[in-house]
Amino acid sequence: DAKTTQPTSMDCAEGRAANLPCNHSTISGNEYVYWYRQIHSQGPQYIIHGLKNNETNEMASLIITEDRKSSTLILPHATLRDTAVYYCIVIDSGGSNYKLTFGKGTLLTVNP
Amino acid sequence: GAVVSQHPSWVICKSGTSVKIECRSLDFQATTMFWYRQFPKQSLMLMATSNEGSKATYEQGVEKDKFLINHASLTLSTLTVTSAHPEDSSFYICSARKRRALAPEQFFGPGTRLTVL
Repeated sequence: DAKTTQPTSMDCAEGRAANLPCNHSTISGNEYVYWYRQIHSQGPQYIIHGLKNNETNEMASLIITEDRKSSTLILPHATLRDTAVYYCIVIDSGGSNYKLTFGKGTLLTVNP
Repeated sequence: GAVVSQHPSWVICKSGTSVKIECRSLDFQATTMFWYRQFPKQSLMLMATSNEGSKATYEQGVEKDKFLINHASLTLSTLTVTSAHPEDSSFYICSARKRRALAPEQFFGPGTRLTVL
């Protein structure tokens, strides 16, 4: 049972903002939204996570809707090196035994 | 930072042989380590979860006698693919979770590409 829905692929021009959507309409109150990305033939890289407030770090911003049923990952100035598969994952990470389960993600292609 | 390494980064072996892959957390202690497998153009599939000093917990459909996992210390876990066959050829990725982490993100290794001839 898929907890998240993401577009299969997206394109973005270099230097522009990349906005990656994720639907998680069945999210429960104690579940966090995590974003990872995987560049081809590498291990996944943690990007950001949040519960209900918007979050920002040096890599990206995470905007979570008020009803928490969807979120958007924003890469403010995409570069060619941001081309990767981006995974949106919903988990209850408050406990000690959560597991990251990866869906199919969104392949973001940043074009010159 | 939080760095996870894997060794080897790639390996080619003959069918029927066993291959061991190491996963190390270089600058932190990891109470829990995970092993994933990824086939071409597919997503990561969790194989097993291992806690230091205890037996690994395998996901449904993963043969525990074929994929032996050892997590003997807080910085090292190993995955041994026994009697490897061509269908075991895949990209194997480990990840580690920090001990007593306040921010519970997982850190992933760079992966090991296994090719069984």
